[in-house]
Parts: sequence; C-alpha cells; structure tokens
Amino acid sequence: DAGVTQSPTHLIKTRGQQVTLRCSPKSGHDTVSWYQQALGQGPQFIFQYYEEEERQRGNFPDRFSGHQFPNYSSELNVNALLLGDSALYLCASRRRGPAYEQYFGPGTRLTVT
Amino acid sequence: QQQVKQSPQSLIVQKGGISIINCAYENTAFDYFPWYQQFPGKGPALLIAIRPDVSEKKEGRFTISFNKSAKQFSLHIMDSQPGDSATYFCAASRSGSGNTGKLIFGQGTTLQVKP
Repeated sequence: DAGVTQSPTHLIKTRGQQVTLRCSPKSGHDTVSWYQQALGQGPQFIFQYYEEEERQRGNFPDRFSGHQFPNYSSELNVNALLLGDSALYLCASRRRGPAYEQYFGPGTRLTVT
Repeated sequence: QQQVKQSPQSLIVQKGGISIINCAYENTAFDYFPWYQQFPGKGPALLIAIRPDVSEKKEGRFTISFNKSAKQFSLHIMDSQPGDSATYFCAASRSGSGNTGKLIFGQGTTLQVKP
C-alpha cells in the first residue's frame, strides 16, 4: 500500500521564479492538504483540495495556488518566489468523510536563493 | 484562539526513562488531537491520536492523556529508547463531519534519548 508520495525531493530556485510541487495521495484517499514547514517550526496549513476544488485556505498570499486532478493527485504552485518561501513543503492526504487520520508525505525541500 | 502551545521545546531523557510532552489549546471546537513524530529530513508520521470523549489512550509505549476542562493534553513515552529521538508535534483540528480537518500544530519538541 503506497503512502503519500511527493516530487521532487529537493529544489533550488532563484527569487522571482515560479515552482510547481507534486503530490500523490495514499491509496484510497481523495482529499489533499498542503503545509509549509519552516526550519524549526511546526507545519502551517496552506490549503486543502477535495473534488478538485479548494475547500479551505490558510493565511498564505495568492502567490500560492493549487490544483487537484481527477486521480486525486495535486500540485502546489508558488509564483514570484521570495527568500522567505524557503521551507519544507508537505502534502497530507485523508479519506473522504470525518477528517481524522491524515498522513504526510516526505516533503519537498525548497531553497530560494 | 487557533494556537496550540507545546512545551518543552527540547527534552533529554535517559534510556528507559519516561518522556513527557505537554500541549495546551484555546479553541473548544477542536475535536481531534493527534501527535506526530518527525525525523530529520522526513515528513511527520502519525503516532497516536485522541478524541475528547476519552481521557486517555494507550498504544504500546505511547500514551495520550487528555484533560478537557483544562484544555490540555500530553504525550507520555514509556521506556524511552534512543530510536525515539526525534521531533514531536502535537496538533489539533476540527475533524467531525463537515469540517476540513485543518491541523493546527504546536511548535515542536526535540527529544533526545541518551543510551
């Protein structure tokens, strides 16, 4: 049973560039959330996708956008990268219904120079 | 009201000892309280979780104690082992029917278990 997978593992970008991160949910899961984890901090909720729609958004600017595909996989896009966007980006998935157990992927380490 | 406060920031325990990490929350609408374990360079792994209708949940060496009136919950790791050395995060969410389950995380506790 494959868990949550994310790609790429690491990414280095320059300020002002754009980046796309990808996530495949755990088998049987259809809801995907994205989190940003700065070094030494707890993860911060970016947004959640279900049925290909954004269902809830955290306190992140519009530079952060996402998409969910019919196979439940998801992308996180960040435009106009800032140095402060350097972080570990985590994807979490869960089953439809009461939002209990959520499982995280290994994350994508984004470094903005 | 959305914050979850976690303490201590770091913890050193001898092998075989008990590790205790505490969390406090404000929002009484939270109805799910998971703990995650994270190793360096890895994503958080769900360790154990509790809902507010019970005061304690035990899974192997890991126990969550929950005090609804005090709005506090804690993780106890019995017989701590060097392999338990990791960062632990508490979290809280509104996860019942109709909610998204957005997780609010504590700041994390770095646990070191000395052999």
